[in-house]
Amino acid sequence: ETGVTQSPTHLIKTRGQQVTLRCSSQSGHNTVSWYQQALGQGPQFIFQYYREEENGRGNFPPRFSGLQFPNYSSELNVNALELDDSALYLCASSLVSQAGRGGYTFGSGTRLTVV
Amino acid sequence: AQSVAQPEDQVNVAEGNPLTVKCTYSVSGNPYLFWYVQYPNRGLQFLLKYITGDNLVKGSYGFEAEFNKSQTSFHLKKPSALVSDSALYFCAGGGATNKLIFGTGTLLAVQP
Repeated sequence: ETGVTQSPTHLIKTRGQQVTLRCSSQSGHNTVSWYQQALGQGPQFIFQYYREEENGRGNFPPRFSGLQFPNYSSELNVNALELDDSALYLCASSLVSQAGRGGYTFGSGTRLTVV
Repeated sequence: AQSVAQPEDQVNVAEGNPLTVKCTYSVSGNPYLFWYVQYPNRGLQFLLKYITGDNLVKGSYGFEAEFNKSQTSFHLKKPSALVSDSALYFCAGGGATNKLIFGTGTLLAVQP
């Protein structure tokens, strides 16, 4: 059984650019959620994908978008990067029935720095 | 609105002493509550959860948490702290929605 893997581990981008972060979910999991963890803060829910569609969204602007693929892997895309987008981005996979019950497996995250 | 609060930014404890990391919640309906631990440059590792049942929940690495409905608290405890327990601890709430709401985290520092 493999865990959740995220790539890349670190990334530096310039303000205004676009970025794509990738996540491979744990074997057997059908749901992927993305969280943003700013420095000194707890993770904030961005959105969740289930059956290749968005299945809930937090308080993030539309320039944050995502995809889920048939193999349940996922991408997080952020357009028009801002300095405040600098954060650790965490991917978490689960079964859809267990998401609210904490049945998440988290990846190690992608550290995004916007300069 | 649902929320989770961790009132202490940092907790310092000597190795071998008991530790407590505090968490209070405001969650509608039956609360689902969790504790996660985060080591530097790592993701979140699950420690324990309360869904229903006994108010004292036992988890990984000797940690336990006590659910107190009247005080809306879910404090994390361990009888004897280890230096290796030093990390960032997050309390989170879930439930009917498909997301977790996290507190701001508490840095636990265990001194040898």
